[in-house]
Amino acid sequence: EAGVTQFPSHSVIEKGQTVTLRCDPISGHDNLYWYRRVMGKEIKFLLHFVKESKQDESGMPNNRFLAERTGGTYSTLKVQPAELEDSGVYFCASSQGRNVYNEQFFGPGTRLTVL
Amino acid sequence: AQKITQTQPGMFVQEKEAVTLDCTYDTSDPSYGLFWYKQPSSGEMIFLIYQGSYDQQNATEGRYSLNFQKARKSANLVISASQLGDSAMYFCAMHTGFQKLVFGTGTRLLVSP
Repeated sequence: EAGVTQFPSHSVIEKGQTVTLRCDPISGHDNLYWYRRVMGKEIKFLLHFVKESKQDESGMPNNRFLAERTGGTYSTLKVQPAELEDSGVYFCASSQGRNVYNEQFFGPGTRLTVL
Repeated sequence: AQKITQTQPGMFVQEKEAVTLDCTYDTSDPSYGLFWYKQPSSGEMIFLIYQGSYDQQNATEGRYSLNFQKARKSANLVISASQLGDSAMYFCAMHTGFQKLVFGTGTRLLVSP
């Protein structure tokens, strides 16, 4: 069974440009999460989809970030326009069901560098 | 609000020895889950072990065990018989009914021959 995949693995862009990150969760997982780790700091929650609906977007830093999950399958996270402080590793995770004990499976992350 | 504290930025251990990575948590929710993830230099997050707040026994997974002390709000990870491949960042995390994970800042473990 394929795990969570993310694309690209690494992106280098200039301040002011737009970048779109993609996450493909494990097939059949209704829950999809985005997290971010800024250098040297803890991994922070961004948002949570249940199927195509945003369940919790309390971690989204500002309106330069837009996440979508059309059709309840893959998700995209767009940063527009990118700022220097957006640099970090963006992780996607997925899980089954709505039980609080469900393990979240993480993707390999996308390393975003904004110059 | 939920909070995870990992007070050890770095730990050193010799191969074949045991090591304990500390984690304390704070939540007012009686139902929660505690996780440990390993992040090797390649970057992926690897799930290691899980402990539910209502679990009576400490979780174990192979060489990993979780020393869960509910009254002290601690969930330390114990790695027995360390191997060179255990060198990595280790993150403690928690989630409650809202499902999102709250992470600590991580501990970098270095295993020496």
